[in-house]
Amino acid sequence: AQTVTQSQPEMSVQEAETVTLSCTYDTSESDYYLFWYKQPPSRQMILVIRQEAYKQQNATENRFSVNFQKAAKSFSLKISDSQLGDAAMYFCAYHNAGNMLTFGGGTRLMVKP
Amino acid sequence: NAGVTQTPKFQVLKTGQSMTLQCAQDMNHEYMSWYRQDPGMGLRLIHYSVGAGITDQGEVPNGYNVSRSTTEDFPLRLLSAAPSQTSVYFCASSPTYLRRGNNEQFFGPGTRLTVL
Repeated sequence: AQTVTQSQPEMSVQEAETVTLSCTYDTSESDYYLFWYKQPPSRQMILVIRQEAYKQQNATENRFSVNFQKAAKSFSLKISDSQLGDAAMYFCAYHNAGNMLTFGGGTRLMVKP
Repeated sequence: NAGVTQTPKFQVLKTGQSMTLQCAQDMNHEYMSWYRQDPGMGLRLIHYSVGAGITDQGEVPNGYNVSRSTTEDFPLRLLSAAPSQTSVYFCASSPTYLRRGNNEQFFGPGTRLTVL
């Protein structure tokens, strides 16, 4: 079974600065997807970004980008120009061959004005 | 499109009671799933379905039943509620279960369940 680890329970960043959230995973598969989800206080789960393991290029969505290191099994999320609305729980997730998503424990991001 | 809807939003049960959490999607998605989220933790998969009539167990299936008689609906049944089932429950759907397809999961707003 896969495991997903987010080693930072909480992070804080100053508004307009950059922050990186860490995620590592354990798998024996070579083909899989990785996701970052955002969960604001409303509880709604929102997809931030998706990475396909067979693609070398790191995914980017506006201010959000990932650093995908397949050999190291690392998948970090970089948020540039942080905004107050970025404050939320962030979850890393692994999509395996068995059609299942496995989530990490989450990182709470606080944004200071 | 309403997306993924869940009812009720909140529920309080007594130990031993049964109930059904409803989930519906109007996007004609193949894949539907149920997760639970306990305080300070990520979501854990309970059951999932890759199409009408097809269901399978996830990571934490004990104490829960599901069925999928239509593409749109995927109810989750608690057979005999226990305090350990106090949690927030999320339903999700995606266009396809295939990893190479559009597998983005769309989540419902969640149901907060308390078992006394």
